Amino acid sequence: QTVVTQEPSFSVSPGGTVTLTCGLSSGSVSVGNYPTWYQQTPGQAPRTLIHDTRFRSSGVPDRFSGSILGNKAALTIAGAQADDECDYYCVLYLGSGISMFGGGTRLTVL
Amino acid sequence: QVQLVQSGSELKKPGASVQVSCKPSGYSLTSYAINWVRQAPGQGLEWMGWINTNTGDPTYAQGFTGRFVFSLDTSVSTAFLQISSLKAEDTAIYYCARDQSGYSWFDIWGQGTRVIVSS
Repeated sequence: QTVVTQEPSFSVSPGGTVTLTCGLSSGSVSVGNYPTWYQQTPGQAPRTLIHDTRFRSSGVPDRFSGSILGNKAALTIAGAQADDECDYYCVLYLGSGISMFGGGTRLTVL
Repeated sequence: QVQLVQSGSELKKPGASVQVSCKPSGYSLTSYAINWVRQAPGQGLEWMGWINTNTGDPTYAQGFTGRFVFSLDTSVSTAFLQISSLKAEDTAIYYCARDQSGYSWFDIWGQGTRVIVSS
């Protein structure tokens, strides 16, 4: 069975840049997987950061960017701030109406 | 204001059934697909599947077939998630989400419904 992979945790210094990735156990991620990135803070519903690989949702700072890096989707956060410390999830469209979330990355800013 | 409003928390005994509702506000139910997402305590997001709000056709993710049913009542513009034969491991927050693109761009989320299964 296909699994969407994410780093379980990551750490970044305040003001630093971090790139989180989203891969597929069965192959490469492409724009045809329409990678979407969500941010979730404790006790809240997720909110969309990036959709369709690289398009920022309304209101999302341009510190957040999405891309394909090698065979994975990537979310880059530049100028990390304390309130970026939360969970990040990617979701990939696998075709035939089926999607799958990655396990999520807990980002620590310290 | 565009939003999805879900029903309130539920406490159920093992073996019972539960129905979670999801009602759009500020847009028409039939304009976008509704997806369902589960989040168990301390765990990540799990995509459960989606329902075509024009045809009522559901699509279920692996692991969410059999006991899980997505449905619509267009007369009240509401989507529903029903879970039967509840187990302790069904304890989770269940979210409905609007799919803006058809490719898992969930631009509007409900506030979540907490379902607790406990004897």
